[in-house]
Amino acid sequence: DIVMTQSPDSLAVSLGERATINCKSSRSVFYSSNNKNYLAWYQHKPGQPPKLLIYWASTRESGVPDRFSGSGSGTDFTLTISSLQAEDVAVYYCQQYFNTPQTFGQGTKVEIK
Amino acid sequence: EVQLLESGGGLVQPGESLRLSCAASGFTFSTYAMSWVRQAPGEGLEWVSSISGSGGTTYYVDSVKGRFTISRDNSKNTLHLQMNSLRAEDTAVYYCGKDQTWKEPHYLDYWGQGTLVTVSS
Repeated sequence: DIVMTQSPDSLAVSLGERATINCKSSRSVFYSSNNKNYLAWYQHKPGQPPKLLIYWASTRESGVPDRFSGSGSGTDFTLTISSLQAEDVAVYYCQQYFNTPQTFGQGTKVEIK
Repeated sequence: EVQLLESGGGLVQPGESLRLSCAASGFTFSTYAMSWVRQAPGEGLEWVSSISGSGGTTYYVDSVKGRFTISRDNSKNTLHLQMNSLRAEDTAVYYCGKDQTWKEPHYLDYWGQGTLVTVSS
């Protein structure tokens, strides 16, 4: 199974500041035949279902604010919130869908400093 | 508008069975793979199972193989998860999700609100 490891486990960022979450996979999730990284990011708030933010490592889902961006390739990926807003307080998960079992990172809790 | 509504959760004893359902609307159900993802209390997300749009291909995490069965009724736009021989470690909120592809599971662009399964004596 591909193990996904996120860092940090939690971070506190001031409103308007940048938040950066890292995700590392134990094996590459890049598929050379279509030049795509099989990596998604989700936002999960208490009492709500997870929400898709980013797929193919860097494609923003429709309706997601452009302050959210994804980058990286192979085994190392990053989710960046360029200017943290109060409504961004949540747990963020990366997920690989390169093969089954699909696996998630352990989550990163983002709070306001 | 895409809607996914889970049902069937509840409190059961170890070794018992439960059947979860997910009623889908707002999209052409048969053309998308569907998945179940769970979250145990205080834990992160765990993918459980997926099924192709036709229902012909299924996928499971090792910990539920042989105990859980995913199925779908495309005539009724409904996804199911039959859970047998339940264990305490199966206690979780179970979410159904709509995949972005027809066959192999990829990422989930819509999720239901979840249904709580508690396995306890």
